[in-house]
Amino acid sequence: GEEVAQTPKHLVRGEGQKAKLYCAPIKGHSYVFWYQQVLKNEFKFLISFQNENVFDETGMPKERFSAKCLPNSPCSLEIQATKLEDSAVYFCASSQSTQGDTEAFFGQGTRLTVV
Amino acid sequence: AQSVTQLDSHVSVSEGTPVLLRCNYSSSYSPSLFWYVQHPNKGLQLLLKYTSAATLVKGINGFEAEFKKSETSFHLTKPSAHMSDAAEYFCVVRAVWGKFQFGAGTQVVVTP
Repeated sequence: GEEVAQTPKHLVRGEGQKAKLYCAPIKGHSYVFWYQQVLKNEFKFLISFQNENVFDETGMPKERFSAKCLPNSPCSLEIQATKLEDSAVYFCASSQSTQGDTEAFFGQGTRLTVV
Repeated sequence: AQSVTQLDSHVSVSEGTPVLLRCNYSSSYSPSLFWYVQHPNKGLQLLLKYTSAATLVKGINGFEAEFKKSETSFHLTKPSAHMSDAAEYFCVVRAVWGKFQFGAGTQVVVTP
């Protein structure tokens, strides 16, 4: 498709429950990024993929967060045992290459609320 | 390592007056710089990008930005603000092979 599609738009989970977010990148884009936006402003990098391979995972909380990009499937970001502090908007973005001058195209985001 | 600093967290302008959003960057390499806009409860839209081809970059909706290496700045301007420009603006830097590093954002309020 011509846009990054994220599902669901909203997700509510009780503390301790699992949350799974999905992202379909733009067709032909090899690179996928996940960001967490907390308190409306701050964008925190979580992880990036080159096709199905993890490219950079320096931002991922190791214990409860995991992500995958499998062939012919949407990418996913999973949070095990959610905490209140995980409440945020999670944005997925895709990019055609790792060339520095290539922009990222962002999805509309998934708003996760942990209660 | 690279980073961006947006010098104003909040800018208020009157409709029809110029808008200036300030961004300073730090990068070990020749950076690529972007300005994105986020309207309330929406995703991010690319306004413009600098990729070393020209220091003055024109974007969508009448916005433009000038890259000044000596000042390590990439300020965003628009000659005449419109009500629809009210949004959050993010300055973003990307190094080769790198992730996108966001500034803290500048909220623009446009008053009639």
